[in-house]
Amino acid sequence: DQQVKQNSPSLSVQEGRISILNCDYTNSMFDYFLWYKKYPAEGPTFLISISSIKDKNEDGRFTVFLNKSAKHLSLHIVPSQPGDSAVYFCAASARYGGATNKLIFGTGTLLAVQP
Amino acid sequence: DAGVTQSPTHLIKTRGQQVTLRCSPKSGHDTVSWYQQALGQGPQFIFQYYEEEERQRGNFPDRFSGHQFPNYSSELNVNALLLGDSALYLCASSTRATRRRETQYFGPGTRLLVL
Repeated sequence: DQQVKQNSPSLSVQEGRISILNCDYTNSMFDYFLWYKKYPAEGPTFLISISSIKDKNEDGRFTVFLNKSAKHLSLHIVPSQPGDSAVYFCAASARYGGATNKLIFGTGTLLAVQP
Repeated sequence: DAGVTQSPTHLIKTRGQQVTLRCSPKSGHDTVSWYQQALGQGPQFIFQYYEEEERQRGNFPDRFSGHQFPNYSSELNVNALLLGDSALYLCASSTRATRRRETQYFGPGTRLLVL
C-alpha cells in the first residue's frame, strides 16, 4: 500500500520557467511533510518542509503548498535552473511520541531543466 | 561541520553472507535511522536508534539488525543475504534533544550488491 504517491515519474522544464512537482498521500495521520532532492551517487538532500498547521512554506526559490482536504502537496521551483535537475522525493511522517519519526517516501520525480 | 558519513561506499557480497554497514551522524545529532532504497523506488524505513535502543522498526525481517554506540554512531547488520537485498542503504541523522519534529539529514549511502 503506497501511502505517499508521486504519479509523475519525470518532468521536463525550460530554464527560467516554473517547475511544479506533485505528491499525494492517503494516511490522514501524516502531519509533517518534506521534500528531498537526490543527485546520482549521493544521498537525499533536504530542501523544504511543512507542518500540517500551515498551507504554505517558502524558502528562496522553493515553495511548498499543502492542501489537507485533498491530501495533496506540491513543490514549486521558480525560476528553474539547470542545477535543479535531479530526482525529487516527497516524504511524510506521523507524530510518534513527539520525537523524530520515520519518513514514508514517494517513488520520486525526475526533473530535467533544459538550458 | 561534518555531515552524515557512511562506510563503505560500495560493497559486493554473495548470497548467504553477512554484511555490516556503518554510519556516523551529523554533529549534535543523537538519533540514527536506516533506509533501504531499491532501484527506481523511494527509500524505505528499516529502523531507528536512539539512546542505543531500537525505537521504531519498519517492515523488514529479523535478518536486519542494528546497533547504536555511546558516541551515537550506528551499524546496520544484514545476515543471510539474499539477491533482493541489493540496494542503496541510507543512514539519516536527527535529534530528539529539542523534543520537536526535526528534519532527517542523509548520508551518501552504501551501495550493496549481492551476487
